[in-house]
Amino acid sequence: EVQLVQSGAEVKKPGESLKISCKASGYSFTNYWIGWVRQMPGKGLEWMGIIYPGDFDTRYSPSFQGQVTISADKSINTAYLQWSSLKASDTAMYYCARLLTMVRGTYFYYMDVWGRGTTVTVSS
Amino acid sequence: DIVMTQSPDSLAVSLGERATINCKSSLSVLNGSNNKNNLAWYQQKPGQPPKLLITWSSTRESGVPDRFSGSGSGTDFTLTINSLQAEDVAVYYCQQYYSSPHTFGQGTKLEIK
Repeated sequence: EVQLVQSGAEVKKPGESLKISCKASGYSFTNYWIGWVRQMPGKGLEWMGIIYPGDFDTRYSPSFQGQVTISADKSINTAYLQWSSLKASDTAMYYCARLLTMVRGTYFYYMDVWGRGTTVTVSS
Repeated sequence: DIVMTQSPDSLAVSLGERATINCKSSLSVLNGSNNKNNLAWYQQKPGQPPKLLITWSSTRESGVPDRFSGSGSGTDFTLTINSLQAEDVAVYYCQQYYSSPHTFGQGTKLEIK
């Protein structure tokens, strides 16, 4: 069974750093792009960025470029989303999701498998 | 970025009736290489992650009831839910995967009248 298991809820203060994780199982981790989606409280879905663990190619939405870092460790089939200095506006649910991928990562499409989400709360 | 605009923002439909949700993209998402539209629909129920319903504008994912159907091409798309069931109460999102970033519509909240 294809699964994405995300790390647990986090409560942080403004200015702190954070790294959340998404562990994949049931498929070849290095052959699929994996991405992150933000959902602020009561709001819609925002595509943040993606990474191809096969060669660590990373793409960001302009809205999130420079605000977060997406990485992966293919030795443990895990993708990460990290912040160096959190803001209150980073409070949200963060989902990881696998993207349908073809031609050895050249093409990436819709998000077919989702994690259950990690709640991040940033408050002083 | 391609802007995806859904309408309406919310709607209430009686059980057994039809629900129709529209999605408009600011640019065509028709993929010239395979003549398919790079458009997906997701369903998100309260407290759950999104669930993929439809890809390529009209292809239902395995296990999705056939009362869900997608149509449209180019810039205008529709998700239709026939014979609405109580378990269909959710927020529905369209998403283009034609160009990065793969933007979502703002969502349409579907309720029972």
